[in-house]
Amino acid sequence: DGGITQSPKYLFRKEGQNVTLSCEQNLNHDAMYWYRQDPGQGLRLIYYSQIVNDFQKGDIAEGYSVSREKKESFPLTVTSAQKNPTAFYLCASRETRGPQETQYFGPGTRLLVL
Amino acid sequence: QQQVKQSPQSLIVQKGGISIINCAYENTAFDYFPWYQQFPGKGPALLIAIRPDVSEKKEGRFTISFNKSAKQFSLHIMDSQPGDSATYFCAASKDQGGKLIFGQGTELSVKP
Repeated sequence: DGGITQSPKYLFRKEGQNVTLSCEQNLNHDAMYWYRQDPGQGLRLIYYSQIVNDFQKGDIAEGYSVSREKKESFPLTVTSAQKNPTAFYLCASRETRGPQETQYFGPGTRLLVL
Repeated sequence: QQQVKQSPQSLIVQKGGISIINCAYENTAFDYFPWYQQFPGKGPALLIAIRPDVSEKKEGRFTISFNKSAKQFSLHIMDSQPGDSATYFCAASKDQGGKLIFGQGTELSVKP
């Protein structure tokens, strides 16, 4: 059963704590993305990776870090420097077939601050 | 700088009616315009997409209309059903593999 899995579904962060959100895909896609979703603001790109061992900052990378050591995995760390981390976080991978490009999204992780 | 503007923010339509969501973009280099559908608590899923070499694309009850000169594109949902109630996002990108820029989203509610 192919797809993208994200864990945990809910995550609670204490002040000053770093937390890591997991994203795994078995679709054999090279490109992967992390988005942050806030009410009324659409999806904003945090980081993306076009290939293993390479990644680039998106529009709102401050306070976040990522790694891409394996093709299947693209974990996101929310650091203590991110002062407003409460949001719904979405991971995606991209497939390109001819003229159509599709980003496949995981079910998301909702991060809450205690 | 907001590059893709979406309206309306919310929309209520009666069952069987037509839902219309509009998007406008600024960057003339954009060459791919998808629409994503998101149900509550889930990740978005690609609904339909268009490239600027055509002015319209239809898939079932869903149609994208594209106006290159006005830099606008819209999603039309014909015979709207309660199961279509979701949040819809337009997006745009340039060059194959380019980053997607999303609109702010439209929350559609179809009343029975």
